[in-house]
Amino acid sequence: GAVVSQHPSRVICKSGTSVKIECRSLDFQATTMFWYRQFPKQSLMLMATSNEGSKATYEQGVEKDKFLINHASLTLSTLTVTSAHPEDSSFYICSARGSGGTFYTDTQYFGPGTRLTVL
Amino acid sequence: AQSVTQPDIHITVSEGASLELRCNYSYGATPYLFWYVQSPGQGLQLLLKYFSGDTLVQGIKGFEAEFKRSQSSFNLRKPSVHWSDAAEYFCAVAVDNTDKLIFGTGTRLQVFP
Repeated sequence: GAVVSQHPSRVICKSGTSVKIECRSLDFQATTMFWYRQFPKQSLMLMATSNEGSKATYEQGVEKDKFLINHASLTLSTLTVTSAHPEDSSFYICSARGSGGTFYTDTQYFGPGTRLTVL
Repeated sequence: AQSVTQPDIHITVSEGASLELRCNYSYGATPYLFWYVQSPGQGLQLLLKYFSGDTLVQGIKGFEAEFKRSQSSFNLRKPSVHWSDAAEYFCAVAVDNTDKLIFGTGTRLQVFP
């Protein structure tokens, strides 16, 4: 099956700094990528949807200036947590759907996640 | 608003026993439903999905799920559990039948030898 990678897998940063998380589709081109946030023992919450070459669409309640998403190519999307604070500590997961199809025919493939800890 | 409920937070079964994980959804029309499995250090993997047609859906790893409109349920089943099935299982529904997924809170499956 298709593979989605995330880098880094784990990051610890100081409060006030910015952190960039990469999401790559390794063996397919992803027209659409999704970013989720997962709190301990809770479900995944969709943060935003990004389409290659266009601005991301954020879910209600997600601060677009805090969580900057760039989907510059068909294989790479980045999430930058700006001026991170301890409450931003979480598990961030991306997923990607292949181009040329619809969600009806193409599965979302998920990355392994990035654990962010803000001190 | 659409929602997904997984009533069981944690289930423990013996290896070789049968398994049923419950999932209830809230949606007015016919939903698009998914089951994913999350193992530590790995991304969510799609087990199976239901869009239309036969209400009994076969998936990978010997799993199946049955869509029951009358009960608003999409329960996941496996006749004989293996120790490698221990993981977190998530049920999800597609928002307004689009790309966006709403996930349940997950059920952690523990398998004893």
